[in-house]
Amino acid sequence: SQQGEEDPQALSIQEGENATMNCSYKTSINNLQWYRQNSGRGLVHLILIRSNEREKHSGRLRVTLDTSKKSSSLLITASRAADTASYFCATAGDTGTASKLTFGTGTRLQVTL
Amino acid sequence: DAGVIQSPRHEVTEMGQEVTLRCKPISGHDYLFWYRQTMMRGLELLIYFNNNVPIDDSGMPEDRFSAKMPNASFSTLKIQPSEPRDSAVYFCASTTYFTALLLNTGELFFGEGSRLTVL
Repeated sequence: SQQGEEDPQALSIQEGENATMNCSYKTSINNLQWYRQNSGRGLVHLILIRSNEREKHSGRLRVTLDTSKKSSSLLITASRAADTASYFCATAGDTGTASKLTFGTGTRLQVTL
Repeated sequence: DAGVIQSPRHEVTEMGQEVTLRCKPISGHDYLFWYRQTMMRGLELLIYFNNNVPIDDSGMPEDRFSAKMPNASFSTLKIQPSEPRDSAVYFCASTTYFTALLLNTGELFFGEGSRLTVL
């Protein structure tokens, strides 16, 4: 079953604009991760935020986590055509299921020139 | 590092045939996961291993599916007999976990997937 639900399902922006994707989840987590998947390829890890963290940065990526609302957002600043991909959030359970990552439904991002 | 290696990349078979998908995890990783990705159901965890031992196979859809990990560098996912609804992309991923002193879940490293089409 899906733990995370991404919003929006699809997003189209122009190069240079910022892209924001949201993820909501249902149960308590140990951490939340974001992955990118280019068409026809495997998933690639982008960033991990722990349950006791509220914000994290990595290059042009900014992730926020609100455990009270069970939600996270991924911001990609100054987007590039190469950012075109599907983005997934994934959650790791807090007890007993920490080894299992459950993926959301994904957001398809299209960055046009 | 070569990364997670999956084979075959593409498989087309007829209903009723046996399908075997293979995975070589990253050396030193002690966790291995099999996921299935479809448009309708997204990414589903089928089974995962720790130190070659199956830990949770609750995601395996039916008895037609089986997975093995005979050693730390090789795993197979077998479907017998295959059905059209098994058509999907099957991903293998591996990782290693830090101890509870740091965090107990690490990033997954995915292979490129095996695209299965059952006619």
